[in-house]
Amino acid sequence: TQLLEQSPQFLSIQEGENLTVYCNSSSVFSSLQWYRQEPGEGPVLLVTVVTGGEVKKLKRLTFQFGDARKDSSLHITAAQPGDTGLYLCAGAGTNFGNEKLTFGTGTRLTIIP
Amino acid sequence: ETGVTQTPRHLVMGMTNKKSLKCEQHLGHNAMYWYKQSAKKPLELMFVYNFKEQTENNSVPSRFSPECPNSSHLFLHLHTLQPEDSALYLCASSQTGGPLYEQYFGPGTRLTVT
Repeated sequence: TQLLEQSPQFLSIQEGENLTVYCNSSSVFSSLQWYRQEPGEGPVLLVTVVTGGEVKKLKRLTFQFGDARKDSSLHITAAQPGDTGLYLCAGAGTNFGNEKLTFGTGTRLTIIP
Repeated sequence: ETGVTQTPRHLVMGMTNKKSLKCEQHLGHNAMYWYKQSAKKPLELMFVYNFKEQTENNSVPSRFSPECPNSSHLFLHLHTLQPEDSALYLCASSQTGGPLYEQYFGPGTRLTVT
């Protein structure tokens, strides 16, 4: 069974601060995705990383896929209240044609104005 | 309408009721999914449909019955539910055949079983 552990589980910081959220597993994934979910809504896809060591930037958000494709991190620079939400990582298995994602436990982020 | 839509957004039902959740995707995808999201638990995959065929049933109790009449529509029929079934039920869709597995979610149906 593939498991994805996210840390921290909860994070509350002041506007303007930087933060990093981690997503770790003992399993290898063919790709990994990050989603943000706001209260009362479904998760929204932020980014997909595919190659080990890959770094992708989305404005103030930087996503990194581990070299061994077992872990990932999300770094937010100068956090804004609009960044508040539940951040979920999700990994795709290495068997193509198996269309399942394994979702992480989630990090609930609150940015205090 | 664009993306993935779900109706109703909120549902309160008694344990003896029968109700259905509806999902529609306007993205031209060929795979659709039902997930259950409870407090303090990771997102739980319930069912997967690929080209209208069910390819995954993740040990879901028979009181949940999915139906996929075509690649754009997905239903979840509910009957004799339990209070512990109260949760946010999310529908998602994706385009299969590649390695990315990017899934697009609807807004969810908040279900309360009384």
